[in-house]
Amino acid sequence: AQSVTQLGSHVSVSEGALVLLRCNYSSSVPPYLFWYVQYPNQGLQLLLKYTSAATLVKGINGFEAEFKKSETSFHLTKPSAHMSDAAEYFCAVTHMNSGGYQKVTFGTGTKLQVIP
Amino acid sequence: DSGVTQTPKHLITATGQRVTLRCSPRSGDLSVYWYQQSLDQGLQFLIQYYNGEERAKGNILERFSAQQFPDLHSELNLSSLELGDSALYFCASSVGRAGGTDTQYFGPGTRLTVL
Repeated sequence: AQSVTQLGSHVSVSEGALVLLRCNYSSSVPPYLFWYVQYPNQGLQLLLKYTSAATLVKGINGFEAEFKKSETSFHLTKPSAHMSDAAEYFCAVTHMNSGGYQKVTFGTGTKLQVIP
Repeated sequence: DSGVTQTPKHLITATGQRVTLRCSPRSGDLSVYWYQQSLDQGLQFLIQYYNGEERAKGNILERFSAQQFPDLHSELNLSSLELGDSALYFCASSVGRAGGTDTQYFGPGTRLTVL
């Protein structure tokens, strides 16, 4: 079964500092991996996704993530945090059910606080 | 705006009652997913429909049921409500491609409060 683990339920960074949100996955087959962001009182929004093309994936709002098979990781980074990045971030992995349709498993989320 | 609509935005009801949450997917999307988000359980996948048929089931209680109609909108029915059912309920939609690379587009959610 596929799963994701997000290390750190809360992360605080200073404005302008590097953002690093960690995600490790477990998958018996090559995974498809996603990062979603949830702003307060809103639904989730896709930041980026890895679908086995380039291992370094660029997303919206200056975020990127690197797929590292040897480390089973898909960490999310941004060189310089903005106040507007304060949100909850979810890593997700998809796997196929017996009918051939994708089922998504989300991590427990990491709340990012940006300190002025 | 993701293009996914959910009604109502807020719902307050009493224990033992039954409610229906409604979701309209993005134009062209055939798959609909339901999720429950609560403080103690996080984001939990409930159920997925594709073009009217159930495709995957997650941690959905027997008191809960869902369906997807011919016009592709979906409804989540929650019955015999308990205090612990208070949560945000999200609907998401996707094209429904087989293969695992579908992006899910989330609605704004329905906040259910059971008193």
